[in-house]
Amino acid sequence: DTEVTQTPKHLVMGMTNKKSLKCEQHMGHRAMYWYKQKAKKPPELMFVYSYEKLSINESVPSRFSPECPNSSLLNLHLHALQPEDSALYLCASSQGLGEFNQPQHFGDGTRLSIL
Amino acid sequence: KQEVTQIPAALSVPEGENLVLNCSFTDSAIYNLQWFRQDPGKGLTSLLLIQSSQREQTSGRLNASLDKSSGRSTLYIAASQPGDSATYLCAVSQDSNYQLIWGAGTKLIIKP
Repeated sequence: DTEVTQTPKHLVMGMTNKKSLKCEQHMGHRAMYWYKQKAKKPPELMFVYSYEKLSINESVPSRFSPECPNSSLLNLHLHALQPEDSALYLCASSQGLGEFNQPQHFGDGTRLSIL
Repeated sequence: KQEVTQIPAALSVPEGENLVLNCSFTDSAIYNLQWFRQDPGKGLTSLLLIQSSQREQTSGRLNASLDKSSGRSTLYIAASQPGDSATYLCAVSQDSNYQLIWGAGTKLIIKP
């Protein structure tokens, strides 16, 4: 069982819909990440939060809007997505950005399909 | 620019065999190298993390080695089982600990 929990597991939405992906961890980690993974490709980093503040935005389009309400929760708000945004969205956490030899722990992801 | 390569892209072996998965990287200035496992449609599970000062790490039937000077890492799986079937990815951490540079993965199939 993963220690990083993501909901929902699957999401189908139209291009005009607004939806949110949720991620939760209770390991006391201070860094949290959003990744996008297309089929048969490695994950691509989207956002990094450190101590609940956005530290890294890897030039992600504004139709993806991250939010970190507290140290255990990470959301990804979706609006006006395109079909090419269909992918597996993975959340991860680690002890902290200053901890160079600690692994990232991943959730099982949300499979997103844009109609 | 760091590049990470995993060969082969796919591997199929009979159950019970010992096997080795390969990962190579072009720049030896790394903090660590990690091996992950991904089951179809699932997230990634961290298997082993080798710090740049270490030569190997072991967990159960898994043993990962690191040779920084030659830019190589191997993941050795002993006595393979059908449950080991998955895609195995390696990733290096270089100038920051959040930016992982990934290989494309090796899809492993263990035949009963």
